[in-house]
Amino acid sequence: EVQLIQSGAEVRKPGATVKISCKVSGYTFTDYYIHWVQQAPGKGLEWMGLVDPEDGVPIYAEKFQGRVSLTADTSTDTAYMELSSLRSEDTAVYYCATLQLRNWGQGTLVAVSS
Amino acid sequence: QTVVTQEPSFSVSPGGTVTLTCGLSSGSVSTSDYPTWYQQTPGQAPRTLIYSTNTRSSGVPDRFSGSILGNKAALTITGAQADDESDYYCVLYMGSGIWVFGGGTKLAVL
Repeated sequence: EVQLIQSGAEVRKPGATVKISCKVSGYTFTDYYIHWVQQAPGKGLEWMGLVDPEDGVPIYAEKFQGRVSLTADTSTDTAYMELSSLRSEDTAVYYCATLQLRNWGQGTLVAVSS
Repeated sequence: QTVVTQEPSFSVSPGGTVTLTCGLSSGSVSTSDYPTWYQQTPGQAPRTLIYSTNTRSSGVPDRFSGSILGNKAALTITGAQADDESDYYCVLYMGSGIWVFGGGTKLAVL
């Protein structure tokens, strides 16, 4: 069974950086990209980007380019999303997903507040 | 930048049939865009209903079906039930590794 387990909720101040993790199991980690999706409170889903665990190469949505870093650790089958220069608008649930966005993690709430 | 369009809201009567669509601000949706549909209820992660245009995910009832209708991807719910009242999202592959979600449709069953 494919599973994606994300790290717990985070609270950060504006300007800070947050890094959340997504540990996968049930398939070969390097076979599929890991995607990250943002959902602000009461809003829709927004694709942030993906990372290819095979070679670590990321692709970012234009909106997040320059502030997000997506990485993958093949030794632990874990993907990471780091978002910097946080602002209140980044308060959201962040999801990881794989198998062409078919299997999703449970989501991680990031709250940005002074 | 290409926008993926969905109806903001829709309603259906219990037992009725509804078709939600997923289009592009310019151009037509095709199977090469790998249309994928999700159902989401408040506080839950999205649940994948349909992927690659018309393939149902495991455990999804066959009253959910996907297709291409005209120049859009479509999700049809046949025999709507009360617990189908949810938000529905589509996502399309734009090429070069880029995916874009639609804004979502809030479906009421009443």
